[in-house]
Amino acid sequence: DAMVIQNPRYQVTQFGKPVTLSCSQTLNHNVMYWYQQKSSQAPKLLFHYYDKDFNNEADTPDNFQSRRPNTSFCFLDIRSPGLGDAAMYLCATSRDQARGYEQYFGPGTRLTVT
Amino acid sequence: DQQVKQNSPSLSVQEGRISILNCDYTNSMFDYFLWYKKYPAEGPTFLISISSIKDKNEDGRFTVFLNKSAKHLSLHIVPSQPGDSAVYFCAASPIFSSGNTGKLIFGQGTTLQVKP
Repeated sequence: DAMVIQNPRYQVTQFGKPVTLSCSQTLNHNVMYWYQQKSSQAPKLLFHYYDKDFNNEADTPDNFQSRRPNTSFCFLDIRSPGLGDAAMYLCATSRDQARGYEQYFGPGTRLTVT
Repeated sequence: DQQVKQNSPSLSVQEGRISILNCDYTNSMFDYFLWYKKYPAEGPTFLISISSIKDKNEDGRFTVFLNKSAKHLSLHIVPSQPGDSAVYFCAASPIFSSGNTGKLIFGQGTTLQVKP
């Protein structure tokens, strides 16, 4: 089945220790997104890639970076995690606007910062 | 500044009755609205959408209504089933422009519980 896969599902890191979350997709979609969702809050878009073009949201902290080495994979790097970065991180994909902005989500990675 | 709001954190209905989930938005530049459903330990899954040129879209038991003048949309589920118990997110997309490809702005979600 075509899908969006996120690894790991649960990640524990120490305060200030860099961490990388990964996302892969078998849908061959050209757009990939990273969202941050804190408890009982709305998922918040951090950035997205349209093909190789990177689009950063204006309020995304510099501490958050992303890489997309190919169509299938996208990484979220948190350079120096703080306690406030503990959240669920959701990866999503879409085939540009062909389906009316429908996005396909992975199961998420729950990040804990100790 | 929350542009998409779901003011009811939770809703409980009896099986077989109608569930109505509400969503309000503030930005008149949104041109597409979507509802997502999320089960525990899973990512959100697309449920139904509506373009701003329509006021109703129906798909089986699910109907979304859009009232542009009130900047309000609602999701009706009828009849409700226990398997519908989940968190429902409303999302909106601004009119396409460079850098806004498929961008979604989410509400904070409403937890629906359907009791047998």
